[in-house]
Amino acid sequence: GQQLNQSPQSMFIQEGEDVSMNCTSSSIFNTWLWYKQEPGEGPVLLIALYKAGELTSNGRLTAQFGITRKDSFLNISASIPSDVGIYFCAGQSPHIIFGKGTRLHILP
Amino acid sequence: DAGITQSPRYKITETGRQVTLMCHQTWSHSYMFWYRQDLGHGLRLIYYSAAADITDKGEVPDGYVVSRSKTENFPLTLESATRSQTSVYFCASTGGGYNEQFFGPGTRLTVL
Repeated sequence: GQQLNQSPQSMFIQEGEDVSMNCTSSSIFNTWLWYKQEPGEGPVLLIALYKAGELTSNGRLTAQFGITRKDSFLNISASIPSDVGIYFCAGQSPHIIFGKGTRLHILP
Repeated sequence: DAGITQSPRYKITETGRQVTLMCHQTWSHSYMFWYRQDLGHGLRLIYYSAAADITDKGEVPDGYVVSRSKTENFPLTLESATRSQTSVYFCASTGGGYNEQFFGPGTRLTVL
């Protein structure tokens, strides 16, 4: 079946650093979504991408829908403590498939 | 309160018992979903519903039953709970198809 490979699995960074994570698949998706999940809560949608090549920003977050429609990346600039959490990519075609998540840790 | 709620938030049960997890949304969204979240697997779709009285299987439906008699409610039943069903269960809804799903806070289920 369809699978998403999300990397890295976890990241340890200093506050203020930029972060980059990505998702790849052997399958083509019509939509890419990026979610953030904090402890004890459900995932919250950060960015939705609908067209190949699309680059979308949401504050310090930027995500791109790969030209091949098989990949997407999420960048976070100038990380702050509240960025801590698990970030999930998800591809839709037609059902939504989730990656296994990237756990972001920020060192003081 | 407006939004999507799940109950109970925590549940401990024993193998073989029937358990029902509730999901309620106040947006009148047509689509609702049930996922389970396990370490190493991310979120996996159990069942979904496109409208009242319309349900369909997701990736991991075995051992689960759903119903949707009203648009706002989408209960998930484990007819005979097994230890492998210990997980965190999330309900989600969307008004426009599969995109931009809004998630509930989750139910942490432990089967002993």
